[in-house]
Amino acid sequence: RKEVEQDPGPFNVPEGATVAFNCTYSNSASQSFFWYRQDCRKEPKLLMSVYSSGNEDGRFTAQLNRASQYISLLIRDSKLSDSATYLCVVGPYNDYKLSFGAGTTVTVRA
Amino acid sequence: DTGVSQDPRHKITKRGQNVTFRCDPISEHNRLYWYRQTLGQGPEFLTYFQNEAQLEKSRLLSDRFSAERPKGSFSTLEIQRTEQGDSAMYLCASSLPGTGSYEQYFGPGTRLTVT
Repeated sequence: RKEVEQDPGPFNVPEGATVAFNCTYSNSASQSFFWYRQDCRKEPKLLMSVYSSGNEDGRFTAQLNRASQYISLLIRDSKLSDSATYLCVVGPYNDYKLSFGAGTTVTVRA
Repeated sequence: DTGVSQDPRHKITKRGQNVTFRCDPISEHNRLYWYRQTLGQGPEFLTYFQNEAQLEKSRLLSDRFSAERPKGSFSTLEIQRTEQGDSAMYLCASSLPGTGSYEQYFGPGTRLTVT
């Protein structure tokens, strides 16, 4: 079983729509949670950290459910520029040895 | 450019040849990581340095792979006797641990094709 599992999508949504997706992780001892964004043939870049209480950064909201071991990302008012692959990332207390999911692809259409 | 840099960006080699990649982290970052990413998958952890010390190696890192960070600055990843299964994007990342969450900054990667 993979450490981090994601629905690969693709999620095709119109501009302005809301899109949400989850990932699940297998290691209950995980302490660090992130969403990274990766554009086609580019390097991953941190989108946001995910905190136990949930957190919001502009149009992006992340939630963590430790009991069920899943993390969610919600994008409101989608923009064309949000088209990318979103990688769910889980790690121990320190940041090393992060485990990445295979990514969820989002395509926002005009 | 003060980001993580990697060289070369692309490498095509024949099976059985040795290749070496270089990573220059962000200057004040003392942690450096190597990952491998294949098509349709997320990056997979290979190894990690804190300063010049290699602290962890994944079981993915076979005996044909070796990584060094001799002076705690740049790092090299060498693959000996390359195989077609080594074809992938090799990503380097660096971070500066502190309180709170730690962001790993990735370089643009080296895309290896083994023919």
